[in-house]
Amino acid sequence: SQKIEQNSEALNIQEGKTATLTCNYTNYSPAYLQWYRQDPGRGPVFLLLIRENEKEKRKERLKVTFDTTLKQSLFHITASQPADSATYLCALDTGRRALTFGSGTRLQVQP
Amino acid sequence: EAGVAQSPRYKIIEKRQSVAFWCNPISGHATLYWYQQILGQGPKLLIQFQNNGVVDDSQLPKDRFSAERLKGVDSTLKIQPAKLEDSAVYLCASSLAGEFEQFFGPGTRLTVL
Repeated sequence: SQKIEQNSEALNIQEGKTATLTCNYTNYSPAYLQWYRQDPGRGPVFLLLIRENEKEKRKERLKVTFDTTLKQSLFHITASQPADSATYLCALDTGRRALTFGSGTRLQVQP
Repeated sequence: EAGVAQSPRYKIIEKRQSVAFWCNPISGHATLYWYQQILGQGPKLLIQFQNNGVVDDSQLPKDRFSAERLKGVDSTLKIQPAKLEDSAVYLCASSLAGEFEQFFGPGTRLTVL
């Protein structure tokens, strides 16, 4: 069956360090993958999209990689700040722009 | 630019009662999605509309859930009758036709007692 796995345990890091979050998937062949941020009590907010033919995408302090052989995406936040504390969701396309989301990883950046 | 609006923000009902949620997408967004997010999980797609037509409702429990998008703008999602396991946040999202980025509303938190 199709599965998307993100670390269920919270990731705690010190301010200024690089946070790395992992998204693994099985039995999918997505044309693209997206990362969203979700704060408590709010809807997800789009961060980045990476296509299957792209290895890496950057936006300010954010970097996403996409390895279709390993079926894995890594999401990096460099120079992390307490304001980056949130849950980060990866989402894979399942055709016609529909998305299947992972369960998310909660990031806590300590000052 | 106004975001996706949803109401109510919170709803508490008894099991077997009915409930309806409303969504107003961003102006000009042809595609509208309803998701269910159970605590600790990611959003799960229930139904996707393109204008007022259904694109995908394969994960919508059609024996109790229904949704409509009259005139291709606002949408309502209804649960009738509700079960305990329907307790979740119901998120509405919209996107421009053919675009990948989805814009989410704040959600409606439903508690079924």
